[in-house]
Amino acid sequence: QQPVQSPQAVILREGEDAVINCSSSKALYSVHWYRQKHGEAPVFLMILLKGGEQKGHEKISASFNEKKQQSSLYLTASQLSYSGTYFCGWGGGAAAGNKLTFGGGTRVLVKP
Amino acid sequence: GAGVSQSPSNKVTEKGKDVELRCDPISGHTALYWYRQSLGQGLEFLIYFQGNSAPDKSGLPSDRFSAERTGGSVSTLTIQRTQQEDSAVYLCASSFRGQFYEQYFGPGTRLTVT
Repeated sequence: QQPVQSPQAVILREGEDAVINCSSSKALYSVHWYRQKHGEAPVFLMILLKGGEQKGHEKISASFNEKKQQSSLYLTASQLSYSGTYFCGWGGGAAAGNKLTFGGGTRVLVKP
Repeated sequence: GAGVSQSPSNKVTEKGKDVELRCDPISGHTALYWYRQSLGQGLEFLIYFQGNSAPDKSGLPSDRFSAERTGGSVSTLTIQRTQQEDSAVYLCASSFRGQFYEQYFGPGTRLTVT
């Protein structure tokens, strides 16, 4: 069962903000965020680990709400380069085989 | 250093033929994943290797699909008796360990079954 991402698509003007949500009923040990541009492979953005640790290397932030079983990715002051499809990967720990289950993606288009 | 590489980049095959897709992960990465992505769709998990063993094969769509990994490095995904619904981009990713480390994706193999 894949995590649910919302919204499915969003159109922004350069400089605007957006939030992408990812939720699942399964136990969570880690959430990954990736961005895929058309015709390219997904690229890592961020990991959030249970316990609050975050690892990432872009000017994009994320959070995790344990009660809601939801992670949110924040695109702040969006740039044209933020356009692409964003995927969350839900890590359910050893019980889930230590693999990620990816959401269906959120298409983001940033216009000038 | 070098990233994840996959070959071939494109493969066109006739229905019923067998195909082999290859993945070379980043050196030192013990975890290797195969995903399938149909046009405009998300990432469908196929199989996960930790070292040479595959603790999770649950995503393989049918017994026509198999995968192996040798020497803790190169992996091959084999599809036997290909069907048109197998047409997709097959992505390989590797990570240092498992789910607590970022995955690095290869460029993918675009498979077209005619």
